[in-house]
Amino acid sequence: QKEVEQNSGPLSVPEGAIASLNCTYSDRGSQSFFWYRQYSGKSPELIMSIYSNGDKEDGRFTAQLNKASQYVSLLIRDSQPSDSATYLCAVSDFNKFYFGSGTKLNVKP
Amino acid sequence: EAGVAQSPRYKIIEKRQSVAFWCNPISGHATLYWYQQILGQGPKLLIQFQNNGVVDDSQLPKDRFSAERLKGVDSTLKIQPAKLEDSAVYLCASSSTGVGNTIYFGEGSWLTVV
Repeated sequence: QKEVEQNSGPLSVPEGAIASLNCTYSDRGSQSFFWYRQYSGKSPELIMSIYSNGDKEDGRFTAQLNKASQYVSLLIRDSQPSDSATYLCAVSDFNKFYFGSGTKLNVKP
Repeated sequence: EAGVAQSPRYKIIEKRQSVAFWCNPISGHATLYWYQQILGQGPKLLIQFQNNGVVDDSQLPKDRFSAERLKGVDSTLKIQPAKLEDSAVYLCASSSTGVGNTIYFGEGSWLTVV
């Protein structure tokens, strides 16, 4: 079973701060990497995907990928209370998706 | 574009009873997944279909769980008999094929076994 590891949290940050979420994965052959947001009682919602080393920015979100270190991160700038959710890291290898257990983020007003 | 549809959204059953969940994937998506998500955990793959065929069902408890995907579109997941530990959200998801494709989830079917 391919492993995707995340710190379960909770990670607490004040409103307006940068939230940094981290993920490591075990399979070097992994091709695609995703961050999903899951609000309590809801299903996961895709917020970012990244496929090559480096940074990818989308609004307040930046995904970072380092394949040599098998490490993916998500930065949320100017965190808002509405960002409070569980963030799931997912790793894909040829149409198979593996999920971490998620990091719970609390953004305090 | 319509998303992944699931029903029922909520179900409460007694242990040893049976339950069935239905899923209709995004139009044109060849791959369909059923995940189980227990509270506080990440989604765990139960079964993956590519068109009509099963790609991976290694984590499906086959003594009580079954799934089918007729005509390569809709799918049904059945649990019989249910156990208390089956209480979870059952997430259906779909994706197109190829490198870089993305998986999209339905709203989930919430099962409570009492």
